[in-house]
Amino acid sequence: QSVLTQPPSVSAAPGQKVTISCSGSSSNIGNNYVSWYQQLPGTAPKVLIYETNKRPSGIPDRFSGSKSGTSATLGITGLQTGDEADYYCGTWDSSLSVVVFGGGTKLTVL
Amino acid sequence: EVQLVESGGGLVQPGGSLRLSCAASGFTFNSYSMNWVRRAPGKGLEWISYISGGSGTIYYADSVKGRFTISRDNAKNSLYLQMNSLRAEDTALYYCARGRVYDAFDIWGQGTMVTVSS
Repeated sequence: QSVLTQPPSVSAAPGQKVTISCSGSSSNIGNNYVSWYQQLPGTAPKVLIYETNKRPSGIPDRFSGSKSGTSATLGITGLQTGDEADYYCGTWDSSLSVVVFGGGTKLTVL
Repeated sequence: EVQLVESGGGLVQPGGSLRLSCAASGFTFNSYSMNWVRRAPGKGLEWISYISGGSGTIYYADSVKGRFTISRDNAKNSLYLQMNSLRAEDTALYYCARGRVYDAFDIWGQGTMVTVSS
């Protein structure tokens, strides 16, 4: 059971928009930065969003991050078949003194 | 090119030990904190350990505390994970990743597979 809760799967058609939620608590999301990672099949995870809403260089602006209270959201617009992957949120838990990840969300682009 | 390359994985019996290594290149290794993250078959990412640049701060996940030891040799640009008392549930692809616990992990290796089975 993950400390952060994500939906197991989401799906949408090419060109559409999808959001992936990540729910936590005041000891993690509520008071720390959130990161989002994309893991394509057979590859290592790649950071999409850092410090809750910032994109590393090379990450297209189709990807966005936001936070409200103890929940964070990853948004992906203009979906492409190449976006099919597992997506994870992650943050520091100040009470547990551990890094926590969500259980992961599998994105299917229909 | 900034790169992390893991090695040392393999098949080990329950109760056995294994030492993973992560070779860093393309950046000033001693200036960066490092982590070990694993992904078990059919499961999600699980962070397991962190070490600061100077080795002064170390954290472990409860699932490995007392069994795994993280260390680094800045002169060799290398990160290590000593794994003892291995269990079947430690079977996973182990990644090293660069980053502080409060920030994102911005560089990841390709992973090394550890299989614990008799």
